[in-house]
Amino acid sequence: DVKVTQSSRYLVKRTGEKVFLECVQDMDHENMFWYRQDPGLGLRLIYFSYDVKMKEKGDIPEGYSVSREKKERFSLILESASTNQTSMYLCASTQDRAGREQYFGPGTRLTVT
Amino acid sequence: KQEVTQIPAALSVPEGENLVLNCSFTDSAIYNLQWFRQDPGKGLTSLLLIQSSQREQTSGRLNASLDKSSGRSTLYIAASQPGDSATYLCAVKTGANNLFFGTGTRLTVIP
Repeated sequence: DVKVTQSSRYLVKRTGEKVFLECVQDMDHENMFWYRQDPGLGLRLIYFSYDVKMKEKGDIPEGYSVSREKKERFSLILESASTNQTSMYLCASTQDRAGREQYFGPGTRLTVT
Repeated sequence: KQEVTQIPAALSVPEGENLVLNCSFTDSAIYNLQWFRQDPGKGLTSLLLIQSSQREQTSGRLNASLDKSSGRSTLYIAASQPGDSATYLCAVKTGANNLFFGTGTRLTVIP
């Protein structure tokens, strides 16, 4: 079975802090994704990566950056956390084919105070 | 841009009832459609994946259909159980990296 893990289930940070969210997948998937999920807005794509050191902006990249130094690991970085970044963050991965399904991690609930 | 709609937003049914969840999308040029389940505060669990060339997929008590030309999919749950209570999300894939989600239907199965 594909396994996608995220470094923390719950995280509380202060405004202005630098925040790292990490995601690891164990199925050698080429593509990895970061989403945020908010009530009434659904899941929105922040960034995705289709290869090591490659990244593409999603629908809402502002205030975020990403890093993919190894194939299995995709990090989301909040350079200076703000209260409007309080959300559920979900990581996903898929093989590099359009017909393949996405597998999701358990999510990180981030609260910025 | 692809828009995905799920109606109703919430649904309550008594245990044992068969039910249908609906998903509609605006652009029929899709690669596949995926149904997910999400429990409160948790990640997404993939239930069924239907490729654009398929009409339906079945897994246990779940059956998902796809009518690409009309932009609709349904998830049929037979003999519902309290353990089926969760939010169900559909998502359509329009490219290698484009997955568009609906906002989900929150299902409550009453014992």
